[in-house]
Amino acid sequence: DAGITQSPRHKVTETGTPVTLRCHQTENHRYMYWYRQDPGHGLRLIHYSYGVKDTDKGEVSDGYSVSRSKTEDFLLTLESATSSQTSVYFCAITQGSNEQYFGPGTRLTVT
Amino acid sequence: DQQVKQNSPSLSVQEGRISILNCDYTNSMFDYFLWYKKYPAEGPTFLISISSIKDKNEDGRFTVFLNKSAKHLSLHIVPSQPGDSAVYFCAASSQTGANNLFFGTGTRLTVIP
Repeated sequence: DAGITQSPRHKVTETGTPVTLRCHQTENHRYMYWYRQDPGHGLRLIHYSYGVKDTDKGEVSDGYSVSRSKTEDFLLTLESATSSQTSVYFCAITQGSNEQYFGPGTRLTVT
Repeated sequence: DQQVKQNSPSLSVQEGRISILNCDYTNSMFDYFLWYKKYPAEGPTFLISISSIKDKNEDGRFTVFLNKSAKHLSLHIVPSQPGDSAVYFCAASSQTGANNLFFGTGTRLTVIP
């Protein structure tokens, strides 16, 4: 257990509304990641952080922004949600060499 | 373009037999490979990994084999148990940079009692 929680666990929102997902970790890990999982695509990296206020884009970053003002929290924001952003979102941290450990996920539905 | 591929969406195996899950990659810069197991409504769970300096890594019932020349790796589970039924994801990374993982699309393993 890497001490990762995600909130909310489920959310339904309407197209065009802003949405923020939160990832919280309790073990002071430097690296944190946001992925989305979609059928036929596996998990794809959205953004990652390598320290407080240090973030970078991943493979599918369009339409998403992130912030990390504290070591323990990594926020993912959809400024104006679209139906294509309906997905399951996972947060992860790096522990050990390259192993990433994942949170329980947030299921987001955009109607 | 998918840099990590799992070409078998599903696999069924009898309990007690061997399960072999396959994964191919295209990026020659990848030098670290991982397997994750995922149950429904849960996050992926790290299973086993292998560095490109090795060709085999074993952990209990799980063994990962790496063939660098073929850009291919496989996960062997023996003996297979019903609790192994899950979706298995292969992932790859380069140990330079931020260790970002690139995932395959997953293989659903069903172990039949």
